[in-house]
Amino acid sequence: SQTIHQWPATLVQPVGSPLSLECTVEGTSNPNLYWYRQAAGRGLQLLFYSVGIGQISSEVPQNLSASRPQDRQFILSSKKLLLSDSGFYLCAWSVGGLNQPQHFGDGTRLSIL
Amino acid sequence: GENVEQHPSTLSVQEGDSAVIKCTYSDSASNYFPWYKQELGKRPQLIIDIRSNVGEKKDQRIAVTLNKTAKHFSLHITETQPEDSAVYFCAAVNNDMRFGAGTRLTVKP
Repeated sequence: SQTIHQWPATLVQPVGSPLSLECTVEGTSNPNLYWYRQAAGRGLQLLFYSVGIGQISSEVPQNLSASRPQDRQFILSSKKLLLSDSGFYLCAWSVGGLNQPQHFGDGTRLSIL
Repeated sequence: GENVEQHPSTLSVQEGDSAVIKCTYSDSASNYFPWYKQELGKRPQLIIDIRSNVGEKKDQRIAVTLNKTAKHFSLHITETQPEDSAVYFCAAVNNDMRFGAGTRLTVKP
C-alpha cells in the first residue's frame, strides 16, 4: 500500500533562517506531488505541485521554493524565513492530476520566532 | 482563477440530526469537487468526491450534490455522530485547485 512520510512534525525557526521540509512517498511510481500551507483556522492553499522529477509549478509567488530531486521525494525550502511563513505545511500525492483524490501527509507545524 | 466560498464556517448539530455544508465556485469549467475531513491536528482525508458529469453521489451516511447551473455543491451528513465532529473542506478543480475556508462541525451527544 502507499504511504507518505513528512518530517519534521514540528519546527521552530528564527526569522531569516533557512528551511527544508521533506516529503517522501512509498508504494507508487511517478506520483503527482503537492505542497500546501494551512494558516490557523483557514483553508488549504496550494503552493507547489510537481508532475515529475525536476518539474515544479508554483501557484503563488512567495518566499518559498520546491524541488523534486527524485521520483518520490518533494522538498520545500526557503533561504530566509519570514514571520508570515508560519503555518501548517502539508505534503500530498495523487495518481494523475489535480482532478484525482489526494492523499495527505501528517503535516509540519512551522513556527517562526 | 477559481474562487470557492464555503458556508457555514461553523455548524453545531445534535447527534442524530443532519448536517449540510454548501460551497459555491466561480469557474464554470471546474470538473472535480472533493470533500475532505480534518480532525484536530490530523491530516485531511478525502471522504467523498463528485465529478461534473454526475449530479449526486452517496456513500452510506454521506452524500454530495452538484448543481452545475448554479455552480454550487453541497455535503450532506445524515444521522450525525460525535465522531463526525471535525473541520470539513470543499474544493473545486479545473486547471488549479481551490479550497473553501472550511466548516467546523460539532456534533453534540
